[in-house]
Amino acid sequence: DVKVTQSSRYLVKRTGEKVFLECVQDMDHENMFWYRQDPGLGLRLIYFSYDVKMKEKGDIPEGYSVSREKKERFSLILESASTNQTSMYLCATTPGGKGYTFGSGTRLTVV
Amino acid sequence: QKEVEQDPGPLSVPEGAIVSLNCTYSNSAFQYFMWYRQYSRKGPELLMYTYSSGNKEDGRFTAQVDKSSKYISLFIRDSQPSDSATYLCAMTTDSWGKFQFGAGTQVVVTP
Repeated sequence: DVKVTQSSRYLVKRTGEKVFLECVQDMDHENMFWYRQDPGLGLRLIYFSYDVKMKEKGDIPEGYSVSREKKERFSLILESASTNQTSMYLCATTPGGKGYTFGSGTRLTVV
Repeated sequence: QKEVEQDPGPLSVPEGAIVSLNCTYSNSAFQYFMWYRQYSRKGPELLMYTYSSGNKEDGRFTAQVDKSSKYISLFIRDSQPSDSATYLCAMTTDSWGKFQFGAGTQVVVTP
């Protein structure tokens, strides 16, 4: 089975800090995605990547950036964390044609 | 208006009852439809994956897609307390593309 590992389950950061969320997958999939999940809003796509060093904006990229230097690793960066970025962050991967496999999520609180 | 609409619930049913969940969507180009189950503080896990219209059955779960009505359903037979979770629908125009998610329906199965 595909394993998607997110480095932290819970994070508490201060406003203005630079925050790195890491995601690693072990199945050599090209496609990787970052979503945030908020009550009543569901999952919203932040960024995605179809290949190494390639990135595309999703529906809500403002305030975020990403890095994909290696195929298995996709990082989400909050350049200057703000309280409205308090959320559950989910990383996902897919080989195409079979739906996503998600990580366990990182619950980020910005104070 | 959201592309994918899903009643957030909660939907409370007694053990052994049939759980009926649905989503409506507006984009007629959607071809791939999925249902995910998400337990509290966990990432979503894929339950059902269907292409185009029709029915698909897997154990106690049945997924239905009616593209003419832009309506998808998930039925859970003989519901168990362990089925208590949030159920998310998702859909996409092509198997490699980014998915659009519903907000999720919380289901509670009472013993």
